[in-house]
Amino acid sequence: EADIYQTPRYLVIGTGKKITLECSQTMGHDKMYWYQQDPGMELHLIHYSYGVNSTEKGDLSSESTVSRIRTEHFPLTLESARPSHTSQYLCASSEGYGGDTQYFGPGTRLTVL
Amino acid sequence: QKEVEQNSGPLSVPEGAIASLNCTYSDRVSQSFFWYRQYSGKSPELIMSIYSNGDKEDGRFTAQLNKASQYVSLLIRDSQPSDSATYLCAVSQGGYSTLTFGKGTMLLVSP
Repeated sequence: EADIYQTPRYLVIGTGKKITLECSQTMGHDKMYWYQQDPGMELHLIHYSYGVNSTEKGDLSSESTVSRIRTEHFPLTLESARPSHTSQYLCASSEGYGGDTQYFGPGTRLTVL
Repeated sequence: QKEVEQNSGPLSVPEGAIASLNCTYSDRVSQSFFWYRQYSGKSPELIMSIYSNGDKEDGRFTAQLNKASQYVSLLIRDSQPSDSATYLCAVSQGGYSTLTFGKGTMLLVSP
């Protein structure tokens, strides 16, 4: 079973606030990912990282930013939340080169009023 | 552009029947193939991975891969109402590549 954690699980916040969604994994995985998913819709990759100090943008343009200072930690930040950011945010991790299997965290459901 | 295609469904089967979920992919160099199950409001969980042509069985689940036809499927035997979920097909080219997910097929198993 994968050990990947996300906090908070639910967040309701007002427009204009700065928020950080936390993601941590204890498996020592090099690669980490952030996906955005609206209810009943497909997964969209918004950011990923190959390892410490590596960050890449995904397939879906996002106003969020990420950082990877420690292997186990991959936070996502929205500088100024808007109602259009309302969605579920899923974090995942996988091993290094050739390790394709991704393990997902429980997700953060974000609502911006 | 890499594409993974799935029928959105819903696929409705009675309890005890075999559910067959299909997926096609566009990139011929794809090496790794995955099936995830996602319950409504939850995160995806890995069911099976398959890397070689042929069948791979795990309990009630069988994954089938045909690289020549660029086709991967998932069979669920003795379907249960608890199998009702969206099933996501995902494909990777290996190395440092990311997974490309299909949009998912919703499965409904009726008692």
